[in-house]
Amino acid sequence: VQLVQSGPEVIQPGESLTISCQTSGYNFAKFWIAWVRQVPGKGLEWMAIFFPGDSDTKYNPSFEGQFSMSSDRSRSTAYLHWSSLRASDTATYFCARHRTSGDGKYDAFDFWGQGTTVTVSS
Amino acid sequence: DIQMTQSPSSLSAFVGDRVTILCRASQSVYTYVSWYQQRPGKAPNLLIYAASTLQPGVPSRFSASASGRDFTLTIDSLQAEDFATYYCQQTYTYPRTFGQGTRVEVK
Repeated sequence: VQLVQSGPEVIQPGESLTISCQTSGYNFAKFWIAWVRQVPGKGLEWMAIFFPGDSDTKYNPSFEGQFSMSSDRSRSTAYLHWSSLRASDTATYFCARHRTSGDGKYDAFDFWGQGTTVTVSS
Repeated sequence: DIQMTQSPSSLSAFVGDRVTILCRASQSVYTYVSWYQQRPGKAPNLLIYAASTLQPGVPSRFSASASGRDFTLTIDSLQAEDFATYYCQQTYTYPRTFGQGTRVEVK
């Protein structure tokens, strides 16, 4: 199993951006993909999850409306998209495979991408 | 949201020491807790899930336990590669919140 994320980005405030998470080694449509933010020098923040099988989503209310998620099942790739970035979006964004067990007891992020660093600055 | 509070925020230890990190949930999360290790500049790595189950491939010097709302990660005989930041996460409800992290540094 591998998750490979797109490269670092330097973006001006107000611009749009899409970053990607290309997966391999497992059935992409059957596992949720999680997105996790890490602001420089800070901890991990759970943003949202996306299910490629039916495009179902679950958002952290703290982040809802700030970005969108999608996937291309033919490429086994998940995407995170912002329409208008702010300086406060400067962070490293990780994708991870979200292993689930129905009731959540055995849930975990078992494989991670290497992270995409997004810098929003004028 | 459920808050996961880790203590201490950081600690210093020698190679060979036994280290314990505590994570307390703001409400019951049963045994729905995972632990991750993050080395500087790297992605997190899953260590433990379901409060005490070791992820395959993780060294047996890592262990974890649960008691009520308190969760403990223990590293027996700390190795050089274990100096990192450790995070707990609850998987009981959405959003799946993380603790703020515990940094383990060389003494």
